[in-house]
Amino acid sequence: AQKVTQAQTEISVVEKEDVTLDCVYETRDTTYYLFWYKQPPSGELVFLIRRNSFDEQNEISGRYSWNFQKSTSSFNFTITASQVVDSAVYFCALSEVDSGGGADGLTFGKGTHLIIQP
Amino acid sequence: DAGVIQSPRHEVTEMGQEVTLRCKPISGHNSLFWYRQTMMRGLELLIYFNNNVPIDDSGMPEDRFSAKMPNASFSTLKIQPSEPRDSAVYFCASTPGGRRGYTFGSGTRLTVV
Repeated sequence: AQKVTQAQTEISVVEKEDVTLDCVYETRDTTYYLFWYKQPPSGELVFLIRRNSFDEQNEISGRYSWNFQKSTSSFNFTITASQVVDSAVYFCALSEVDSGGGADGLTFGKGTHLIIQP
Repeated sequence: DAGVIQSPRHEVTEMGQEVTLRCKPISGHNSLFWYRQTMMRGLELLIYFNNNVPIDDSGMPEDRFSAKMPNASFSTLKIQPSEPRDSAVYFCASTPGGRRGYTFGSGTRLTVV
């Protein structure tokens, strides 16, 4: 069975600092997908990124970057020059492919509550 | 595109009452998921459908919970009878396939008193 671990329950940094959110996953499948979602105080779940298991290239989107390392089963998320608006709960998630080849459900980590202080 | 639409946004009900949560997935998405979020257990997958067929309901906590998807554009999650421990935020999500992203609705905040 798959599992996602976000060991950092809460992180607090001062604005403009860089911050990295850790994510470690477990799966027996060779084909899987990794995701990050943001949940701001308003409560909705906002999709940030999807990465498949065959693509280990790191990705950068503005101040956000992701480091995927299959050797350590990790998919870490870094925010550079953090801003108060980045304050939210961030979830890492894993999806496998079901036996029929269709989409499987997401298994979420417990989330990391990120607090950016002005 | 209106996104995944859930109703109601908030529901307050008394213990023992029947509760029905509704979801309209994005048109063309053939997979639909129901999740529950609580402080204690985080985000849990309850059930999901592929092409309107229930694939995995192992996350449904008890027989009091049931879900249906009568057509590609509508799904319901029903709790009967409801209990205070069912209080949570219930999310619906849809996807055209796992290779693409999962889009979540705004959620239904259920309070059972």
